[in-house]
Amino acid sequence: GEQVEQLPSILRVQEGSSASINCSYEDSASNYFPWYKQEPGENPKLIIDIRSNMERKQIQELIVLLDKKAKRFSLHITDTQPGDSAMYFCAASAGTGANTGKLTFGHGTILRVHP
Amino acid sequence: DMKVTQMPRYLIKRMGENVLLECGQDMSHETMYWYRQDPGLGLQLIYISYDVDSNSEGDIPKGYRVSRKKREHFSLILDSAKTNQTSVYFCASSFQYAEQFFGPGTRLTVL
Repeated sequence: GEQVEQLPSILRVQEGSSASINCSYEDSASNYFPWYKQEPGENPKLIIDIRSNMERKQIQELIVLLDKKAKRFSLHITDTQPGDSAMYFCAASAGTGANTGKLTFGHGTILRVHP
Repeated sequence: DMKVTQMPRYLIKRMGENVLLECGQDMSHETMYWYRQDPGLGLQLIYISYDVDSNSEGDIPKGYRVSRKKREHFSLILDSAKTNQTSVYFCASSFQYAEQFFGPGTRLTVL
């Protein structure tokens, strides 16, 4: 099955700076790459996603980049705020065949934004 | 208001007891999922259900089974729970294979 590696596991940044989280995947059939944010004690919530027909997507301060050739995708948070502190998960889904609809998650990145 | 609900929210069981975790959604989503979340391991897919009585194993199905008799309801069953099944369990649902909406989670402790 698909494997997703996510780095770093912990990320500390100063308020106002940028934060970047990187993920890689193995299955070239993967075509959907969502990012979820999880606050302590809460459920994961989708913050942005990208499909394989795009290389870049931006929603406000969130930027997602996808490099299909290298099988890498990344999340960039510009102008970080203390409210961005949370656990972030990347995921990949093949959406075809026996793996249809199955998301494989990275192990998560704890982001701490310091004032 | 789109919502995924889970019951119970907290559960303590003894090793060997049976466990039933229930999930409901009010969005008429065909696809539903059960995950477990453990520190450092992220979310691992246990089972996926494509619709009523159409279930498929995820990455870690051993020790679990599921039931989906109504589109809005998806159950996770642990027959003879083990201590290594102590975890936080999340149910999710999606319209086809788009955004997954997660429930609030069930924290299960098996003693």
